[in-house]
Amino acid sequence: GIQVEQSPPDLILQEGANSTLRCNFSDSVNNLQWFHQNPWGQLINLFYIPSGTKQNGRLSATTVATERYSLLYISSSQTTDSGVYFCAVLSYGQNFVFGPGTRLSVLP
Amino acid sequence: ETGVTQSPTHLIKTRGQQVTLRCSSQSGHNTVSWYQQALGQGPQFIFQYYREEENGRGNFPPRFSGLQFPNYSSELNVNALELDDSALYLCASSLDGGGMYEQFFGPGTRLTVL
Repeated sequence: GIQVEQSPPDLILQEGANSTLRCNFSDSVNNLQWFHQNPWGQLINLFYIPSGTKQNGRLSATTVATERYSLLYISSSQTTDSGVYFCAVLSYGQNFVFGPGTRLSVLP
Repeated sequence: ETGVTQSPTHLIKTRGQQVTLRCSSQSGHNTVSWYQQALGQGPQFIFQYYREEENGRGNFPPRFSGLQFPNYSSELNVNALELDDSALYLCASSLDGGGMYEQFFGPGTRLTVL
């Protein structure tokens, strides 16, 4: 089945800093989503982005499907951005597969 | 528009018991997927239900079973609970099966097996 890697595994930032999270996947995908999991376990949808670029406020994402990676950019980070960020992908005929996540801590 | 809801929020069971978790899909969604998330890991796909039929299953034993009802709500049943079944169980709904649509997750049920 498809393999998903995320980097870095852990990231500590000062409030106001920018960051880039990466998701690599081993096969072509029909579906790619980025999620933020808050401390209570809720998975919050950030982007549905099987290809192309999207922006939503301080967050933006780019997926280069031909090169099998996606990037999530967080600008001017805030303490409320802390949590775990997951990339999840689906390849045709297979199940939705989550990466191991990037744990982000934003310090005041 | 009502989001995905799950019940109960927390549950404590003992080894060998059976448990039923419930999920109501987002309005207009006919597909429900269930995931297990162990501490410190990403969610793992258990199975998906599309229009009341199982539509894909992950690497979980048969003691994990499910149902989807005509209103597209769903249940996850786990028999003969083991200590390793302790996890956060997440339900997600999407507009249709096939994986081409965005999935939306409920708040989860945290199961502890003693």
